Amino acid sequence: NAGVTQTPKFQVLKTGQSMTLQCAQDMNHNSMYWYRQDPGMGLRLIYYSASEGTTDKGEVPNGYNVSRLNKREFSLRLESAAPSQTSVYFCASSEMAAPEAFFGQGTRLTVV
Amino acid sequence: AQSVSQHNHHVILSEAASLELGCNYSYGGTVNLFWYVQYPGQHLQLLLKYFSGDPLVKGIKGFEAEFIKSKFSFNLRKPSVQWSDTAEYFCAVNARGATNKLIFGTGTLLAVQP
Repeated sequence: NAGVTQTPKFQVLKTGQSMTLQCAQDMNHNSMYWYRQDPGMGLRLIYYSASEGTTDKGEVPNGYNVSRLNKREFSLRLESAAPSQTSVYFCASSEMAAPEAFFGQGTRLTVV
Repeated sequence: AQSVSQHNHHVILSEAASLELGCNYSYGGTVNLFWYVQYPGQHLQLLLKYFSGDPLVKGIKGFEAEFIKSKFSFNLRKPSVQWSDTAEYFCAVNARGATNKLIFGTGTLLAVQP
């Protein structure tokens, strides 16, 4: 049982390049999340999707877009990467009735 | 909107010392509360959770936390830490019945010296 799978694990981008971080969960969860983790700032919510077909902004949505492709998949897109987006990105999923989140392994993104 | 505060940013303890990490949240309604642990180089794992009932909850690896509603607090405790407890600890809150948005604190980095 894979749980939450994120790809890629590592990525280096040049300023202005675009990319999509992929996330898939096999636990049949309704809710999915994207967080970024920066030293001393904890995990900050970028976007979340309470259920298939809905997405909402979190604490730090600027510079990002998301797509809830289906119940399993929730992608995060950086249209024009900036050095300030250098971070570790985590995808997570949860069920409304039991809202503890399960996390993927993370994507370490460096923008130069 | 809910928010979470963790006032201890970096804690250093010797093995066998007792641990208490503070967590306070800000939200006027009913909440679900969580502690997560992140070992070096790994993703976050659930340590324990509180939804309702007994305010003293027990988690994995000998950790426990107490929910004090009047203080909006959910402090994490362990009577005797081990070197293997070296990790970063995150408190998180979810507003019950809302959109399932899960908000994290800034984390506490615990270093246990052998």
